[in-house]
Amino acid sequence: GENVEQHPSTLSVQEGDSAVIKCTYSDSASNYFPWYKQELGKRPQLIIDIRSNVGEKKDQRIAVTLNKTAKHFSLHITETQPEDSAVYFCAALRVGNEKLTFGTGTRLTIIP
Amino acid sequence: DAGVIQSPRHEVTEMGQEVTLRCKPISGHNSLFWYRQTMMRGLELLIYFNNNVPIDDSGMPEDRFSAKMPNASFSTLKIQPSEPRDSAVYFCATLRGDRVTDTQYFGPGTRLTVL
Repeated sequence: GENVEQHPSTLSVQEGDSAVIKCTYSDSASNYFPWYKQELGKRPQLIIDIRSNVGEKKDQRIAVTLNKTAKHFSLHITETQPEDSAVYFCAALRVGNEKLTFGTGTRLTIIP
Repeated sequence: DAGVIQSPRHEVTEMGQEVTLRCKPISGHNSLFWYRQTMMRGLELLIYFNNNVPIDDSGMPEDRFSAKMPNASFSTLKIQPSEPRDSAVYFCATLRGDRVTDTQYFGPGTRLTVL
């Protein structure tokens, strides 16, 4: 089955700087990659996703890149703000299998 | 729309007791997923339903766990008998279509503690 690895497990960034979280996946047939943000004590919420037919997608301060050859994808947050502090999860899915496999999460702390 | 509703929000029980977690999906959503979240294992998919039919239950840890979806408005996850290692936050998530590539909306979760 699919295996998703996520790094780093914790990340501290000065407010205003950029943060990058990286994930690798094992199943070359995976073709959908969402990112979820989970604030303390709350539910995971989808913040951005990318499909395998594109290499990059951007939504304001958040962007995701995908390298299918290397089987890795990354979340980029620019101009970080205190409200970006949360745990971020990447996930991968092969359409047809219909089962999201999540990474282990990255705890992002924005230092004011 | 109230979003995905889960109950109870917190459950504390003793080892050996039966535990039933409940989920009400967003109206019109026809796929429902049960997840378990722990520090050690992260977010794990336990089972998912499409149009009330269980599609994949390979994530269900063992026979003590069972899930049902008797209608489009309700699902249960039951643990019988419960064990301390079942302590976790259990999330229900739903989506509108039958493609997981649609957005999944998570419920608030049930925090289960088994003593």
